[in-house]
Amino acid sequence: QVQLVQSGAEVKKPGSSVKVSCKASGGTFSTHSISWVRQAPGQGLEWMGGIIPIFGTPTNGQKFQGRLTITTDDSTSTAYMELSSLTSEDTAVYYCARDQGSFGSATGFDHWGQGTLVIVSS
Amino acid sequence: QSALTQPASVSGSPGQSITISCTGASTDIGTYDLVSWYQQHPGKVPKLMIYEDRKRPSGVSNRFSGSKSGNTASLTISGLQAEDEADYYCCSYAGDNTFVFGTGTKVTVL
Repeated sequence: QVQLVQSGAEVKKPGSSVKVSCKASGGTFSTHSISWVRQAPGQGLEWMGGIIPIFGTPTNGQKFQGRLTITTDDSTSTAYMELSSLTSEDTAVYYCARDQGSFGSATGFDHWGQGTLVIVSS
Repeated sequence: QSALTQPASVSGSPGQSITISCTGASTDIGTYDLVSWYQQHPGKVPKLMIYEDRKRPSGVSNRFSGSKSGNTASLTISGLQAEDEADYYCCSYAGDNTFVFGTGTKVTVL
């Protein structure tokens, strides 16, 4: 059974960076894309970016170009999302989500992490 | 990439059918047969309900069905039940390994 377990909640100062981890267990890690999706309080889901571990090249949404870094560590089946230059508008729950298909087939996110709350406040 | 457009809310009585629309563009919904739908109950993680426009994952009730015409995808819930009350989001592949979500629809069971 595939499971994605994310790191714990963070409180950050404006201008700083946050790094969230997403450790996968069960299934094959390297061939399924991992996306990062966030949800601000009371708001909808927003796709941030993703990566297919076996290829290693991340894709970022236009809104996050220049301040989003997505990486993976295949040895531990862990994906990471680092967001820099934080502002209060980055306060949100951040989810990792796995595509059920392989090699970027984009067939839907069938497994999600439990979410990580990031609060940006001075 | 602009968010896909969904109605803010849809409601129906138990047993009725409701349809949620999701309007995008020729660069996403109109080009790729890769629309997925997610159900999210308050405080919970999103759940995949439909993928590739109209396919249902194992374990998802056949009361949920997806369709698409042009740049608009739709999710229909038939035989509405109290447990269907939740937020629903569409999502489309938009090329170059990117995705875009819809604005979300709150479904209320009257």
